[in-house]
Amino acid sequence: GAVVSQHPSRVICKSGTSVKIECRSLDFQATTMFWYRQFPKKSLMLMATSNEGSKATYEQGVEKDKFLINHASLTLSTLTVTSAHPEDSSFYICSARAWGLADYNEQFFGPGTRLTVL
Amino acid sequence: AQTVTQSQPEMSVQEAETVTLSCTYDTSESDYYLFWYKQPPSRQMILVIRQEAYKQQNATENRFSVNFQKAAKSFSLKISDSQLGDAAMYFCAYRSDRAGNMLTFGGGTRLMVKP
Repeated sequence: GAVVSQHPSRVICKSGTSVKIECRSLDFQATTMFWYRQFPKKSLMLMATSNEGSKATYEQGVEKDKFLINHASLTLSTLTVTSAHPEDSSFYICSARAWGLADYNEQFFGPGTRLTVL
Repeated sequence: AQTVTQSQPEMSVQEAETVTLSCTYDTSESDYYLFWYKQPPSRQMILVIRQEAYKQQNATENRFSVNFQKAAKSFSLKISDSQLGDAAMYFCAYRSDRAGNMLTFGGGTRLMVKP
């Protein structure tokens, strides 16, 4: 149980286009999802916290108009990178906090999405 | 704000030997959780072990155990009988007990296991 999927696993796009990444909790409801960015050989940096039915909370330095987050249901959150540029190339990871499971406060991670902007 | 520091960018261990990865953190809170995550080449984050700050007993999970020193704000991970599959990036993480529950990660330690 407690599986989180991400789609796509990798995407290549042209500069200026927008890319949407989906994060789904497959077998549990997630009231809260988190989006992280990871540069090569670096740690995970929290970008934003996404709560179902409300606006996401962005970390300092993260452009909310650049990285649009929508958490429309208890099993799906999306991250849209708008007008992507090469510097947005990175590995994006989502995690979901489980509701109703014994380990309520646990975060379960998706497998990540590698974004390459040409 | 909380910070997590992993002072060892890389560590190496011989197969079947024991290795300890270091982690220190800074917080003014008394209630929190600490975690060690493993990230293999697949990049999937895997929870290795977790420790609740209010528990004095060190957590153990099979070959993995921690040395939690609350006063010193230290949280090291010991891997016994190291296996080739243990080779990965290891991240120490802190989570507040307050609402929000966001994780703060350390910079990571790359563990190499020599056959």
